[in-house]
Amino acid sequence: GQNIDQPTEMTATEGAIVQINCTYQTSGFNGLFWYQQHAGEAPTFLSYNVLDGLEEKGRFSSFLSRSKGYSYLLLKELQMKDSASYLCAVRDRNYQLIWGAGTKLIIKP
Amino acid sequence: TAGITQAPTSQILAAGRSMTLRCTQDMRHNAMYWYRQDLGLGLRLIHYSNTAGTTGKGEVPDGYSVSRANTDDFPLTLASAVPSQTSVYFCASSGTSSGELFFGEGSRLTVL
Repeated sequence: GQNIDQPTEMTATEGAIVQINCTYQTSGFNGLFWYQQHAGEAPTFLSYNVLDGLEEKGRFSSFLSRSKGYSYLLLKELQMKDSASYLCAVRDRNYQLIWGAGTKLIIKP
Repeated sequence: TAGITQAPTSQILAAGRSMTLRCTQDMRHNAMYWYRQDLGLGLRLIHYSNTAGTTGKGEVPDGYSVSRANTDDFPLTLASAVPSQTSVYFCASSGTSSGELFFGEGSRLTVL
């Protein structure tokens, strides 16, 4: 079957750096997405990786290794507003999105 | 502001009743989706539509139906609601080359 694994919950300190990992086993691969979802709100798009390597976008970066079935989202200079769930999703060979259960990130002052 | 609008934002429904969740987008995206989100689980696809006039079944389609009469609207109908359909429902659309999804604000449905 298809599977996306990410930690259920992480805690980090304001101003610090945190890395959220995502491993996947899917039928084919056509890109990996990261979304941010604040409690009670809709998910919003953060990043998209289809080739190996690091994509940087401001304080957020996303890394992909297709051979390892692995990605991470790196958040720098953490702010309280970064407290949210971070969802990893992989698009399979049929261009269907397979979603992880999300990682709840708690930022402490 | 352009985007996706869902209605209602929340609803309590008696088991056995029917309900239609409405979804409208003004971005002229071809593809639209309905997901449900339950605690501890990833988003699960109920139905999708790649373009107006076509629909397809997702991972958990049983008990739900959709229609796509035009580009903008993609309603989700529960013909006879059951308590296991208690969930938060998100409508989404995509139209960019990368396929990123744009989500509506969600509809929280409780079936008693």
